[in-house]
Amino acid sequence: QKEVEQNSGPLSVPEGAIASLNCTYSDRVSQSFFWYRQYSGKSPELIMSIYSNGDKEDGRFTAQLNKASQYVSLLIRDSQPSDSATYLCAVHSGYSTLTFGKGTMLLVSP
Amino acid sequence: ETGVTQTPRHLVMGMTNKKSLKCEQHLGHNAMYWYKQSAKKPLELMFVYSLEERVENNSVPSRFSPECPNSSHLFLHLHTLQPEDSALYLCASSQEIGGGGDYEQYFGPGTRLTVT
Repeated sequence: QKEVEQNSGPLSVPEGAIASLNCTYSDRVSQSFFWYRQYSGKSPELIMSIYSNGDKEDGRFTAQLNKASQYVSLLIRDSQPSDSATYLCAVHSGYSTLTFGKGTMLLVSP
Repeated sequence: ETGVTQTPRHLVMGMTNKKSLKCEQHLGHNAMYWYKQSAKKPLELMFVYSLEERVENNSVPSRFSPECPNSSHLFLHLHTLQPEDSALYLCASSQEIGGGGDYEQYFGPGTRLTVT
């Protein structure tokens, strides 16, 4: 069974710090990886996609992928209170489906 | 309208009612999905339609019946639901590899369903 594991948190960081969110996956053939942000009571919002080993940067966000170790991470630089949300890791490794982790709650304190 | 829209946004229904949830995507995608998200639980994939054909049905009870009349519209017909079916129902769409897709799924705002 394909699994995506995330620490449920909460991960608490002060404003301005770097938040580091981690995710591991079980299916070695996975090729596409995604990070979603979900505010309480809202739907998930895609914030990053990564397909190749290494780092991908977009503004304050950096996704890191290591297929050999089967992990993907998300770094949020200069964290803001508005970044407080649950971050979902998702992995594509089958026809038309994503497998989602349970999410990590991030709390950024002013 | 842009992105993925869902109606209604909130729905309260009795256990003997019949209702339908509607989803429409304006992204030109060729795959659509229904997910269920209960409190403090991960997203549960319910149904997948790719090129208007259902390709996955994750052992969802028959009281949930999907319909995909074309690549832009998706419905979820509900009947004789149970209180444990109360949840946030999310629709998503993506462009699959056959159409130059990259599997990114975009979600609608969801329908908050309460079964009384």
